[in-house]
Amino acid sequence: AQKVTQAQTEISVVEKEDVTLDCVYETRDTTYYLFWYKQPPSGELVFLIRRNSFDEQNEISGRYSWNFQKSTSSFNFTITASQVVDSAVYFCAICFNKFYFGSGTKLNVKP
Amino acid sequence: ETGVTQTPRHLVMGMTNKKSLKCEQHLGHNAMYWYKQSAKKPLELMFVYNFKEQTENNSVPSRFSPECPNSSHLFLHLHTLQPEDSALYLCASSQGLEGANGNTIYFGEGSWLTVV
Repeated sequence: AQKVTQAQTEISVVEKEDVTLDCVYETRDTTYYLFWYKQPPSGELVFLIRRNSFDEQNEISGRYSWNFQKSTSSFNFTITASQVVDSAVYFCAICFNKFYFGSGTKLNVKP
Repeated sequence: ETGVTQTPRHLVMGMTNKKSLKCEQHLGHNAMYWYKQSAKKPLELMFVYNFKEQTENNSVPSRFSPECPNSSHLFLHLHTLQPEDSALYLCASSQGLEGANGNTIYFGEGSWLTVV
């Protein structure tokens, strides 16, 4: 069974638009950790954020923000005023006894 | 600058060749991993090492042979590969095992492997 679902396979936006990447997870554990990674065309997965299941406070880091909603088992990622450099594949992941990655959302930001 | 470095970044090899991928982490971590990323498939965990001991092998074919001489270095020896083994191979590390306290995994830039 899929532990992490990223329903959006690919999204295209124009520069300066806001974009939200969806992530829905599934676990019976009460303690777990959620992650987002960015994978630019070069290949490296770049760590963006880690949240534990007891901290539902939303987080903002520059143009990036994350919305954690336990009630809907979602951990969505919003990029405000997108830029061409944001073009990448973004992976959501959950860890409760091991890491489970979603299939990724490819974001294309056009100038 | 990444704390996990992989070489080579690109490798083309024939099915009868023997080659190796190298990974080095400069983060002082204890656990290291090999992942495979094929086109349009999820990330696949291949091997896990903790304090240079293998703790997980996810039914990986024997034509892939890992080696972990110490906590900072990890190799993936390749021999008699098939074209379907062409993929991006990602090395990663974490302070403790991934499942313990949700330790963050840090990835290298990957080695793009093409088997011809």
